[in-house]
Amino acid sequence: DVVMTQSPLSLPVTLGQPASISCRSSQSLVHSDGNTYLNWFQQRPGQSPRRLIYKVSNRDSGVPDRFSGSGSGTDFTLKISRVEAEDVGVYYCMQRTHWPWTFGQGTKVEIK
Amino acid sequence: EVQLVESGGGLVQPGGSLRLSCAASGFTFSHYWMSWVRQAPGKGLEWVANIKPDGSEKYYVDSVKGRFTISRDNAKNSLYLQMDGLRADDTAVYYCLTMIWGAPFGYWGQGTLVTVSS
Repeated sequence: DVVMTQSPLSLPVTLGQPASISCRSSQSLVHSDGNTYLNWFQQRPGQSPRRLIYKVSNRDSGVPDRFSGSGSGTDFTLKISRVEAEDVGVYYCMQRTHWPWTFGQGTKVEIK
Repeated sequence: EVQLVESGGGLVQPGGSLRLSCAASGFTFSHYWMSWVRQAPGKGLEWVANIKPDGSEKYYVDSVKGRFTISRDNAKNSLYLQMDGLRADDTAVYYCLTMIWGAPFGYWGQGTLVTVSS
């Protein structure tokens, strides 16, 4: 199975400051169709997860543009340009290139 | 408005069975792949199973293969997860979801808690 490794696992941030989460995969996430199916999910406290980013860098509907994704191959990053209070929660990277689809361990973002 | 509403969770003894249901509305259910993802208490997310729109293809994570069965009834806009041979490590919130991987379309239910304990 593809192992997804996130860092850091805990991220205290100051409101208005940027934040960055790294995700590395144990295999290349380039699919045979040429796409890289790396996704980012946010899970706010007490809520179901929701997807923020698909195919490395595409924002889902309603996702603020302060969220951005980048990377290629096995190395990916989620950035929040200016953290707001509503961004508190756990963030997961997830690959759907290789079955079984797998998630990272999660990064808990909290306000300092 | 898209809605996915899970039901059927509860307390079951080890070795027992449970059937989860997910009622879908607000989209053309028969056109979309559907999935189950679970989350053990205080833990991360694990993808459990997928099913093709017409039900002809199903995929399972190894830890549930041979014990869980995903199915759907497109006439009833419903997704199911039959869970047999339940073990303590199957204890989790089970989410029903649908997602398109190359477009901005993705929805999760609120989850249903399954507790396996004697």
